[in-house]
Amino acid sequence: AQTVTQSQPEMSVQEAETVTLSCTYDTSESDYYLFWYKQPPSRQMILVIRQEAYKQQNATENRFSVNFQKAAKSFSLKISDSQLGDAAMYFCAYRITNAGNNRKLIWGLGTSLAVNP
Amino acid sequence: GAVVSQHPSRVICKSGTSVKIECRSLDFQATTMFWYRQFPKQSLMLMATSNEGSKATYEQGVEKDKFLINHASLTLSTLTVTSAHPEDSSFYICSAAGNGNTIYFGEGSWLTVV
Repeated sequence: AQTVTQSQPEMSVQEAETVTLSCTYDTSESDYYLFWYKQPPSRQMILVIRQEAYKQQNATENRFSVNFQKAAKSFSLKISDSQLGDAAMYFCAYRITNAGNNRKLIWGLGTSLAVNP
Repeated sequence: GAVVSQHPSRVICKSGTSVKIECRSLDFQATTMFWYRQFPKQSLMLMATSNEGSKATYEQGVEKDKFLINHASLTLSTLTVTSAHPEDSSFYICSAAGNGNTIYFGEGSWLTVV
């Protein structure tokens, strides 16, 4: 079965500092996507970053980057220069690539990130 | 970028009545839409997957007769909560997938059944 595990229910970081959120997953597939979504208090789900499993290079989006370790099935999110607006729930998610009509996401339980001024 | 609009954002209904929530993809054709329920401080729970023109696929434990899903066009899916009860009060989110690899989310709908 495909599962996504976020082992940190809550994290905190000082403004301007760097924080890393962990995510591990389990799958027997070789082609898949991994995502980090942010859910602020407004509840809107916002895509933070996406990684294709076939790409060795770690994805980066401005202050957000991932450390993708395919063999270890690990997909951590690093937030650099943390800002107050980064405070939110962060969800790690997975889906297989060649899914046809079955493109559902498998979700982790989330990590609540607090940013301290 | 792609936009998914969900309406209404908040709705209050009386126990025993039905309420409909709409999910629209505004600038792309969504071949597949997903409906989630989210309890406070929890992750998203997938309720069902709907593909345009076919019956929705419900996750185990979700009552298909209570949560009616219709995906009549490539830009619109609806979730109807029938004979709503207070325990159906929750945050419901839809998401849509086009031909690309990213799934986009609606703003969510708060349902309160009184």
